[in-house]
Amino acid sequence: AQRVTQPEKLLSVFKGAPVELKCNYSYSGSPELFWYVQYSRQRLQLLLRHISRESIKGFTADLNKGETSFHLKKPFAQEEDSAMYYCALRGNSGGSNYKLTFGKGTLLTVNP
Amino acid sequence: SQTIHQWPATLVQPVGSPLSLECTVEGTSNPNLYWYRQAAGRGLQLLFYSVGIGQISSEVPQNLSASRPQDRQFILSSKKLLLSDSGFYLCAWSGDSRAYEQYFGPGTRLTVT
Repeated sequence: AQRVTQPEKLLSVFKGAPVELKCNYSYSGSPELFWYVQYSRQRLQLLLRHISRESIKGFTADLNKGETSFHLKKPFAQEEDSAMYYCALRGNSGGSNYKLTFGKGTLLTVNP
Repeated sequence: SQTIHQWPATLVQPVGSPLSLECTVEGTSNPNLYWYRQAAGRGLQLLFYSVGIGQISSEVPQNLSASRPQDRQFILSSKKLLLSDSGFYLCAWSGDSRAYEQYFGPGTRLTVT
């Protein structure tokens, strides 16, 4: 079975402070990991994927297979980063190729 | 460009009544389609997904069912709603080659009274 755990329901930081949203996963094979984001009054959308190893809106995430983690980080948070963030996992076998398993989400608030 | 529509946006239904939520996608063919329920504190729960017409996979046994009568149409139904069916329902689509990148609709807020 595959599982994604986001231990923090709420995270509040001040503008300019570093931010880290935690994500841990459980999967027997080699999964793909993603971060999705939902800004206020907008639709849920893909933020980044681990394979591309890119920085989007200043956010990065590194897949740590030893710790089974995929934490999302940004060195200097901005107010516009305030949103709900979901970590998601895609398996690599059979029907799991089509599915994403989402965590419960972390609501990030960046205070001025 | 591709767009995804859901309706209705909000719905209030009594317990025991039937349900039909509709999702349609434009601008693409043979999409993978998904129904999720988003509940506060419980995140996004995948309910059903479909990789083609008439092909439905159920993830969670429950009071709901899904159908795909046309390539770009996905319907979520129930014969008799329960209070526990209340929630925010999201439809999503993805392409076959990039199934990890799902595009979400605006959602339907269902309240069962």
